[in-house]
Amino acid sequence: AQKVTQAQTEISVVEKEDVTLDCVYETRDTTYYLFWYKQPPSGELVFLIRRNSFDEQNEISGRYSWNFQKSTSSFNFTITASQVVDSAVYFCALSEAGNTDKLIFGTGTRLQVFP
Amino acid sequence: DAEITQSPRHKITETGRQVTLACHQTWNHNNMFWYRQDLGHGLRLIHYSYGVQDTNKGEVSDGYSVSRSNTEDLPLTLESAASSQTSVYFCASSEVRDEQFFGPGTRLTVL
Repeated sequence: AQKVTQAQTEISVVEKEDVTLDCVYETRDTTYYLFWYKQPPSGELVFLIRRNSFDEQNEISGRYSWNFQKSTSSFNFTITASQVVDSAVYFCALSEAGNTDKLIFGTGTRLQVFP
Repeated sequence: DAEITQSPRHKITETGRQVTLACHQTWNHNNMFWYRQDLGHGLRLIHYSYGVQDTNKGEVSDGYSVSRSNTEDLPLTLESAASSQTSVYFCASSEVRDEQFFGPGTRLTVL
């Protein structure tokens, strides 16, 4: 069965600190996709990244980086030099190729960045 | 610009009433989804559709129904609203094997 675990319910940091949000997934498929979404206080869901199971290269986008490790079934998200605008709930999600495009979400991690 | 909209954005209703939440997308996506968001549960899939006349049950489909008569719309109906259906509802659409784009959400309160 597929499952996504975000064990960190809430994280608080001070601005400019680096922070890593953990995501561990379970799946029996060899082909799958992993996602991160951001939900700011305004409530909308913003797509951040999509990664397929055959691409284990780390991704960097500005202050954001993602570390995908199949050996530990993890897809962790790091924010470098955090800013107050990074305060949001972050969701990790899994989509299996055999269950076309359905997303299984983790329970989310609330990140609070204090000035 | 293409977008996905939901209406109403806020709704208060009474137990037992039928409620329909609208979702409209102009991306021309074949895939459309309905999720509910509850504290401690993240987002859970209610129903989804891969195209016109296609509908499928998700993880938490009891008490909900959908219909897909065209590409743009996937209305979600609560047949007889219950207090347990108080939640925030998100509609999403996507192309095959692509990221989902989410609507702004509908906050539903069932009294």
